[in-house]
Amino acid sequence: DTAVSQTPKYLVTQMGNDKSIKCEQNLGHDTMYWYKQDSKKFLKIMFSYNNKELIINETVPNRFSPKSPDKAHLNLHINSLELGDSAVYFCASSQDIIDEQFFGPGTRLTVL
Amino acid sequence: AQSVTQLDSQVPVFEEAPVELRCNYSSSVSVYLFWYVQYPNQGLQLLLKYLSGSTLVKGINGFEAEFNKSQTSFHLRKPSVHISDTAEYFCAVRLRSGSARQLTFGSGTQLTVLP
Repeated sequence: DTAVSQTPKYLVTQMGNDKSIKCEQNLGHDTMYWYKQDSKKFLKIMFSYNNKELIINETVPNRFSPKSPDKAHLNLHINSLELGDSAVYFCASSQDIIDEQFFGPGTRLTVL
Repeated sequence: AQSVTQLDSQVPVFEEAPVELRCNYSSSVSVYLFWYVQYPNQGLQLLLKYLSGSTLVKGINGFEAEFNKSQTSFHLRKPSVHISDTAEYFCAVRLRSGSARQLTFGSGTQLTVLP
């Protein structure tokens, strides 16, 4: 039973395309996150949702739009993909924003 | 704003030798401290955390870390490493109060255990 799952695991696409990454958690947590890990393995928070409400929105281009249809899901939609968007994107969840975060396996996005 | 510095990007060590991965942080307010491990092609897994109390924290897989407030450090140690400990290790902090409670990560340390 996977606690935090992401699909797809790998995503290869052309510049200018629009793509989505899905995240689901079955832990009953209230808070979900998206992180970006660059080629140097540096991890940075992008967004956080608590009970479907956006609570953290770091300096991320408007082309990135998170969507939380319910507490168990936080999807990431990216418009007009650019080469610099190539990275591994991790979804995570926690019971509350101050609790331990559980991470998904990551989605490796490659923009050609 | 808080920041985390992991002083060593790569640490090679022989199997069964001890290891220390260094982490220093900077913050104007109190923080919680964490170590996460990332095995190849996997997500992050929590190794241990310091919230309060004893400054020596024990985690999974035989790892421990010591919080030193005066030196603003949270170094990770293991007395005897195994090949299976080869992974990327991340130190992270989170503010104890205020609105910005997300994790801030260091740049990671690649631990390679050699036979």
